[in-house]
Amino acid sequence: AQKITQTQPGMFVQEKEAVTLDCTYDTSDQSYGLFWYKQPSSGEMIFLIYQGSYDEQNATEGRYSLNFQKARKSANLVISASQLGDSAMYFCAMREGGDQFYFGTGTSLTVIP
Amino acid sequence: ETGVTQTPRHLVMGMTNKKSLKCEQHLGHNAMYWYKQSAKKPLELMFVYNFKEQTENNSVPSRFSPECPNSSHLFLHLHTLQPEDSALYLCASSQDLGSGSFSDIQYFGAGTRLSVL
Repeated sequence: AQKITQTQPGMFVQEKEAVTLDCTYDTSDQSYGLFWYKQPSSGEMIFLIYQGSYDEQNATEGRYSLNFQKARKSANLVISASQLGDSAMYFCAMREGGDQFYFGTGTSLTVIP
Repeated sequence: ETGVTQTPRHLVMGMTNKKSLKCEQHLGHNAMYWYKQSAKKPLELMFVYNFKEQTENNSVPSRFSPECPNSSHLFLHLHTLQPEDSALYLCASSQDLGSGSFSDIQYFGAGTRLSVL
């Protein structure tokens, strides 16, 4: 079974609008960490935001926020006020106990002027 | 300039060649990673080093051989590769895997685009 599922291969959003990128995860651990990364066409993966499994508040970093619903095992990324530079691939990732990291297949986001 | 530098950026090699990918991090981190990124597949973690010691080897074929001489440098030695090994190879580093915190963020390089003919 997939550890990280991103069901939206591609998304479009109008500039200045908000967009939600979906991520669900599968783990039986009580302690874990969830991450979102952005990958522009240049290839480098850029860290955006982190949520710990015990964090009660949703994480926020500037225009990025993580909608964490633990019971549903979902960790959706919300980007507010989209900019043209937000066009990229977005990856959800999870770290379980030990040195194991899992990534989803990614969502391609295109911001339309 | 990013904190994690990978060279070369592009590599084309035949199946009988031997080549090496290099990764260098300037962030003072203690953990380094190799990932393989193939089209339409999740990133695959290949190797993990923490304080120069290999802690994970996720069933990677022996034609991929990692080397971590110090906490700042990581190599991936390649020999007798197959066409299905063509992919983007990403290196990452993080502060300290052993800290017990799950928030140990990985910082990535721009990758080496490998084509095996």
